[in-house]
Amino acid sequence: EAGVAQSPRYKIIEKRQSVAFWCNPISGHATLYWYQQILGQGPKLLIQFQNNGVVDDSQLPKDRFSAERLKGVDSTLKIQPAKLEDSAVYLCASSLSRDQPQHFGDGTRLSIL
Amino acid sequence: AQSVSQHNHHVILSEAASLELGCNYSYGGTVNLFWYVQYPGQHLQLLLKYFSGDPLVKGIKGFEAEFIKSKFSFNLRKPSVQWSDTAEYFCAVNVRGGGYNKLIFGAGTRLAVHP
Repeated sequence: EAGVAQSPRYKIIEKRQSVAFWCNPISGHATLYWYQQILGQGPKLLIQFQNNGVVDDSQLPKDRFSAERLKGVDSTLKIQPAKLEDSAVYLCASSLSRDQPQHFGDGTRLSIL
Repeated sequence: AQSVSQHNHHVILSEAASLELGCNYSYGGTVNLFWYVQYPGQHLQLLLKYFSGDPLVKGIKGFEAEFIKSKFSFNLRKPSVQWSDTAEYFCAVNVRGGGYNKLIFGAGTRLAVHP
């Protein structure tokens, strides 16, 4: 089966600019996740969707981060404006349901100058 | 707050050595347990999982892990490592309860296997 697709793979922007990441989950997977992985740390959940509804965004910095999953398939994560501490790899994952193992994409490596 | 601790950040072994990576979590409720692996240049992949039943679970590539509920531990083992096992290993715990369902990762252990 095709895996989780993410784009772009790399992004370099200056602080205070905006950036968006795109994720296409595995077909049929109802649950979609966005994680932030800072160098030297494990992935940290930012937001979790069940179909097109948000079920957990408690760790999403909502003053600058936003995410949507229109039509319950693809998802975008946006940062506006970016700060230096947002430099990280942003991972998208999907699963059949919330209890099932998650499948990860390759991630987007974001560097803030 | 729930957390996952991996005891070693870096491990260096020679081929054929035995491996044990420690993982402890802090959560008293229902959990599902996972080990994920990230090979150089690749995405995170599931190595093995524990949901219920036999606390000794076997995964891909000869890896196994043992869930010890009384110790809140889920250590990963392999009797004889290979150079191709060089990767970063993440322990993860899915905590659930009252509509709450979240996967929490440890910081990872970077394993280097020398020929």
